[in-house]
Amino acid sequence: SAVISQKPSRDICQRGTSLTIQCQVDSQVTMMFWYRQQPGQSLTLIATANQGSEATYESGFVIDKFPISRPNLTFSTLTVSNMSPEDSSIYLCSVVRQETQYFGPGTRLLVL
Amino acid sequence: EDQVTQSPEALRLQEGESSSLNCSYTVSGLRGLFWYRQDPGKGPEFLFTLYSAGEEKEKERLKATLTKKESFLHITAPKPEDSATYLCAVQANTGRRALTFGSGTRLQVQP
Repeated sequence: SAVISQKPSRDICQRGTSLTIQCQVDSQVTMMFWYRQQPGQSLTLIATANQGSEATYESGFVIDKFPISRPNLTFSTLTVSNMSPEDSSIYLCSVVRQETQYFGPGTRLLVL
Repeated sequence: EDQVTQSPEALRLQEGESSSLNCSYTVSGLRGLFWYRQDPGKGPEFLFTLYSAGEEKEKERLKATLTKKESFLHITAPKPEDSATYLCAVQANTGRRALTFGSGTRLQVQP
């Protein structure tokens, strides 16, 4: 399995501000993803965080809104920029280990 | 485009009342089908991976099966602690490792 931690676990933010979410994995992984889970809905992939290169974004998600860093094989950050109430969601970090995708505990974000 | 549909959206069972959850999928070549359990306020917890039609996997009261078009998660004699949302996801064999998720089935088991 994989031990994944995220910081912060939850936050309440004002519209127009930005929040950076951290994801730390217990050991090196090649593949790391960021997902969003809006209230009452399932998980939607935001982007693949690539180590040493720019993240790969899914349709509907752009780098200016969700910049991602991946400085090494155990750590990544996702920033939610210029937030609006529609960004209120759970943001989840995920890694692949031995062909299985494991998820972090999530960051619950509320934008007022 | 890969799609996953889960049914029912919600299911309420009495303790000991067995049932099945359905996951129908369309994917451009299936690499794997995944089942997760998600408790409120937590990230999804991995349960099973199925790779080919006819495959079955079991864990305690849960058994997952796979056909070419759908997967079932059978719950035998459930207990209240089995209450959770169960998520199904597919991974295509295109080299893309990200998962496409269904909307989940919210299971409530009453004592």
